[in-house]
Amino acid sequence: EPEVTQTPSHQVTQMGQEVILRCVPISNHLYFYWYRQILGQKVEFLVSFYNNEISEKSEIFDDQFSVERPDGSNFTLKIRSTKLEDSAMYFCASRGEAPSGRVPFFGPGTRLTVL
Amino acid sequence: GDSVTQMEGPVTLSEEAFLTINCTYTATGYPSLFWYVQYPGEGLQLLLKATKADDKGSNKGFEATYRKETTSFHLEKGSVQVSDSAVYFCAFNAGGTSYGKLTFGQGTILTVHP
Repeated sequence: EPEVTQTPSHQVTQMGQEVILRCVPISNHLYFYWYRQILGQKVEFLVSFYNNEISEKSEIFDDQFSVERPDGSNFTLKIRSTKLEDSAMYFCASRGEAPSGRVPFFGPGTRLTVL
Repeated sequence: GDSVTQMEGPVTLSEEAFLTINCTYTATGYPSLFWYVQYPGEGLQLLLKATKADDKGSNKGFEATYRKETTSFHLEKGSVQVSDSAVYFCAFNAGGTSYGKLTFGQGTILTVHP
């Protein structure tokens, strides 16, 4: 069964450093998403991406964040200068076209720890 | 604003007990409703969904009915197993161009003992 994969599973970084979280969506999917979950809190939408551009973003997704689809298979989330409060689990998701592809499939997540 | 409120956890049950995890939502329009499950060390997996009022989603013995009048989507299972131990998330989306943009509840940890 096709699945979304994410690397690394755990990333530890120093405050102020840049990190790139990587995702490989399901191959025929066209819509891509990043979510995050701060420990003990809700899973929160960050950004959606379609046709090589951001289609929607939340207020969390400020200028420190960027997303990119550098090639035909990867989808990345970059945090330019990490803060302590960026420590969270980051989930990538993808979906196909409606109506059959309305439901997003999630990856296993990357746990980001900022020290 | 749009939100999901889930039953507080953790929930601890014995095997074969009946499970209910309550979920209510606040949303404009007619959202689609979901339950996702996260097993230890794994990602969020879709457990079941319902896209319109009175629809019942079901999977692996779990059920939930879309109740528009009470804005609820409670998850139930008649007889839980140890393997059902996981975190359960209620979620919805508004549909249209936002199909993949989900609003989640805070998650409910379920532990089932033999």
